[in-house]
This record gives sequence, C-alpha cells and structure tokens, in this order.
Amino acid sequence: EAGVTQSPTHLIKTRGQQATLRCSPISGHTSVYWYQQALGLGLQFLLWYDEGEERNRGNFPPRFSGRQFPNYSSELNVNALELEDSALYLCASSLLPGTGELFFGEGSRLTVL
Amino acid sequence: TQLLEQSPQFLSIQEGENLTVYCNSSSVFSSLQWYRQEPGEGPVLLVTVVTGGEVKKLKRLTFQFGDARKDSSLHITAAQPGDTGLYLCAGAGTGANNLFFGTGTRLTVIP
Repeated sequence: EAGVTQSPTHLIKTRGQQATLRCSPISGHTSVYWYQQALGLGLQFLLWYDEGEERNRGNFPPRFSGRQFPNYSSELNVNALELEDSALYLCASSLLPGTGELFFGEGSRLTVL
Repeated sequence: TQLLEQSPQFLSIQEGENLTVYCNSSSVFSSLQWYRQEPGEGPVLLVTVVTGGEVKKLKRLTFQFGDARKDSSLHITAAQPGDTGLYLCAGAGTGANNLFFGTGTRLTVIP
C-alpha cells in the first residue's frame, strides 16, 4: 500500500512569488493535514481538510491557503512568498480524524530566496 | 493554543546508556502520541496513549501517560545509534480538531 506522497520534493522560489505544494493521502484516508516545520523546530499546524471541506486552520496569514479535491488529494498554496516561509512542509493523512494518528509524507522543502 | 513543552531539547549520549524524554503541558489531552522523525523524512508514529497512567512498551522504548493526561514520558533503555532522531510528542485536544505537536527532542546516540 502506497504511503502519503508529496510533490515537489524541493522547490526554490523568490520573494513575492507563489508556491503550490501537492499531497496524495493513503488510499481510504479522507483527512489531510498540512504542517510547517522550520529548521530545527517543531511542527506548526497549518490546515486540516476532511471530506473536501476545510475543518480547521492554524495561526497563519491568509496567504496560506489550500483545498482538497474529490479524490481526497490536497494542495497547499502560499502567495506573496516571504523569506521566513522557507521550511519543510509536511502533509499527513488520517483514517480517523481527531485520533492524533497521522501518517506523514516525506515533505516538500521550500526555499525562498 | 495548547502548548506542549519537551525536555531536554537536545540530548547526546553513548550507546548503551538509558535516557528519558519529557513532554509537559497545562492542557488535558484526549490522547497523546509519540513520533520519531529522521533526517529527510516525515515523522513516524511510535505509539498512542489514551488512558491516564497508561504505560506502553515498544521493545526498548517505554511510554507513560500522566495520570491527569497532561504530560508524558518516553524512556529508552540501552540506546542504540538507530535510535538517533527527532522525537516529537503530540496531543489531541478534547475537541480533537487538530493535533498539537511538542517542541521536539533531538537525540544523538554515539556508537
């Protein structure tokens, strides 16, 4: 069974540009979570999608947005990139929302120059 | 925001030594998870604890959930270089809308 897959693995952008990151959950999982992990720090919650709806949002500005598609895959969009957006963006899926048992992808490393 | 503080932040020990990592909060959690993250990879779930006072063992790793469900500990016996990684605790709130991650403990086991 395939795990959570994320693309691209690495992405380099310049300030002011937009970045789009993609995530495919484990088959059968309807919940997708996005987290930001800055270098050496813990995970900061960004967004939670379940059954195509945004269920919860972390303390991030509106330029961080996303969506979940009918096949449960998800996109994270970051507009007007800033240097401090450089981080590892992790996607996770869950079969049972709210249990805390998440399955993570390997992440997309975004570098903003 | 439900804050989870982990200690120590960094830990470097020799192979064969024992260690304990702590995860503390002022909030009550319906469940608590421990994850391990290795360089270049996403976190991998190690264990879930649900009941206050619960103890779970996974080979040389022992996990305990505090009686009040506000804190947890991870004890590793006879650490091995393969235990090296970032250990993250995570708590699911009573509303269980999302998972709050701790600040992390970066463990290095020296051969």
